[in-house]
Amino acid sequence: QSVLTQPPSVSGAPGQRVTISCTGSSSNIGAGYTVHWYQQLPGTAPKLLMYGNSNRPSGVPDRFSGSKSGTSASLAITGLQAEDEADYHCQSYDSSLSAVVFGGGTKLTVL
Amino acid sequence: QVQPQQWGAGLLKPSETLSLTCAVYGESFIGYYWSWIRQPPGKGLEWIGEINHSGSTNYNPTLKSRFTISVDTSKKQFSLKANSVTAADTAVYYCARVGSTSPWGQGTLVTVSS
Repeated sequence: QSVLTQPPSVSGAPGQRVTISCTGSSSNIGAGYTVHWYQQLPGTAPKLLMYGNSNRPSGVPDRFSGSKSGTSASLAITGLQAEDEADYHCQSYDSSLSAVVFGGGTKLTVL
Repeated sequence: QVQPQQWGAGLLKPSETLSLTCAVYGESFIGYYWSWIRQPPGKGLEWIGEINHSGSTNYNPTLKSRFTISVDTSKKQFSLKANSVTAADTAVYYCARVGSTSPWGQGTLVTVSS
């Protein structure tokens, strides 16, 4: 049971827009701790996709965007492409646990 | 940025000790916390703990203190040990600086089986 809750899977057709939610609580996202997102392609290590809630590292297409509101955060992907098919993980910090926390991960399928 | 290199035994028997090491290249080791994260087959990521260059550590309180992280700053390396492993410790283990653009280690599959 992960501290941050993500949907197990989402899907969309090429060109469509999908969103992945990450729901936390008042001791993590709701306490103001930033959310990071990682993309994990099949058989590879996770790679930072979004940091500080809504900032893209160099090289990440602007089709990816992040937002945060209250105790939740979201990752949006527009203009879906086949290469976006991967697992996506959100991560923050929890003050009650004094620990880095992850969501359970969401598998994105491009139909 | 250069991917950290990690190594350690991949096949353990129940009750044995897990031991992994991660070497950081091409970036400053000092001033940051370096983490170990694991991912059981088909499951999500679980943070194990972190250490900085001076040896200050933080651990996931849900993992019952079986894990120990140590550092050798002169070699820019940090290590993970876990005693009395069980099948539940079977996972891919990664080293990383979470929340940064630095690449994660390549991962080490640790399988615990009799």
